[in-house]
Amino acid sequence: GENVEQHPSTLSVQEGDSAVIKCTYSDSASNYFPWYKQELGKRPQLIIDIRSNVGEKKDQRIAVTLNKTAKHFSLHITETQPEDSAVYFCAARGSNYKLTFGKGTLLTVNP
Amino acid sequence: EAGVAQSPRYKIIEKRQSVAFWCNPISGHATLYWYQQILGQGPKLLIQFQNNGVVDDSQLPKDRFSAERLKGVDSTLKIQPAKLEDSAVYLCASSSPRGRGSYEQYFGPGTRLTVT
Repeated sequence: GENVEQHPSTLSVQEGDSAVIKCTYSDSASNYFPWYKQELGKRPQLIIDIRSNVGEKKDQRIAVTLNKTAKHFSLHITETQPEDSAVYFCAARGSNYKLTFGKGTLLTVNP
Repeated sequence: EAGVAQSPRYKIIEKRQSVAFWCNPISGHATLYWYQQILGQGPKLLIQFQNNGVVDDSQLPKDRFSAERLKGVDSTLKIQPAKLEDSAVYLCASSSPRGRGSYEQYFGPGTRLTVT
């Protein structure tokens, strides 16, 4: 089955800096890659996703890039704000149509 | 639209007891998922329903966990008997198989289970 590795597990940045979280996946047939943000005690919420026929997608301060050859995708957050502090999960939808999640990255944005 | 509803929000039980969780997906969403999220980890899929049929239950510990979605809408997840390692947040999610957003899963608030 699909295996998703996510790095780093923790990330601390200063307000205004950029943050990058990286994930790799194992199933070359995976075709959908969402990113979820989960604040403490709350439900995961989709912040951006990308499908395998696109290399990059941007939504305001958030962007995701996908390299199908290398089987990795990344989340980029620019001009970080304290409210960006949360746990971020990447996921991949493999050939079995299941979403497999990474272990998460705790992002802390220091004011 | 109303989101995914789950109850209870919190549950504390002793090991070997049984517990049940309930989920009501977004109206019209044919696909329903139950995930287990252990502290510090990403959600792990336990079971996926398409309408009232099981699509995937390969990671469901079937000796103690069971789930049903009798009328293709609400679903219940049961654990009997519970073990200490079942302590986790149980998340329900739903998605629609049609339309541009068909891949997106919407999560409920979860049920935090503590087994003592």
